[in-house]
Amino acid sequence: DAGITQSPRHKVTETGTPVTLRCHQTENHRYMYWYRQDPGHGLRLIHYSYGVKDTDKGEVSDGYSVSRSKTEDFLLTLESATSSQTSVYFCAISPGQGTEQYFGPGTRLTVT
Amino acid sequence: SQQGEEDPQALSIQEGENATMNCSYKTSINNLQWYRQNSGRGLVHLILIRSNEREKHSGRLRVTLDTSKKSSSLLITASRAADTASYFCATDSGAGSYQLTFGKGTKLSVIP
Repeated sequence: DAGITQSPRHKVTETGTPVTLRCHQTENHRYMYWYRQDPGHGLRLIHYSYGVKDTDKGEVSDGYSVSRSKTEDFLLTLESATSSQTSVYFCAISPGQGTEQYFGPGTRLTVT
Repeated sequence: SQQGEEDPQALSIQEGENATMNCSYKTSINNLQWYRQNSGRGLVHLILIRSNEREKHSGRLRVTLDTSKKSSSLLITASRAADTASYFCATDSGAGSYQLTFGKGTKLSVIP
């Protein structure tokens, strides 16, 4: 498995609270991605990063922000969690533009 | 919106049989990728086929790509119970694209 971890693995939070998910890699890959996976929707891209401090929006970025201050860490923040953000969140990394992606184990987030 | 769409949504076969899954997409691509996801786990990259390739093999996997029809197929030969998983195709959006767009997947069940 590629050296990619996510924390926490499970989280239950209340509506309106801020939440930060962390993705950490030991592969020194340039590209990092955050996805959410929901039944009936498959995997959808939230935000991605193409270098330190270089990020851009994906398909479903509303309500989410990201930061990447160093190569190995990519943080996803829900500023004020809503029930619609209950999902499984996956981080992925890739060595090149449009190449294969390696996925973390996922974070199951429940917003009550 | 979904770039890739898998067909069928679900497939159930006996161990030893071959499994074929199809993917259709809408716009020009640089490459198409197939991933596997076991229940509760992250996605695992299986194979990448470039737009100028027509067929690619990896072990028991055979992928074909028909850019004129904007479609791809994944064949798993001599299936095993361990092949039970969801399979996703993913496409980029052509030159300069950082992003992959995933389909909703085909859920394969291999019955021992």
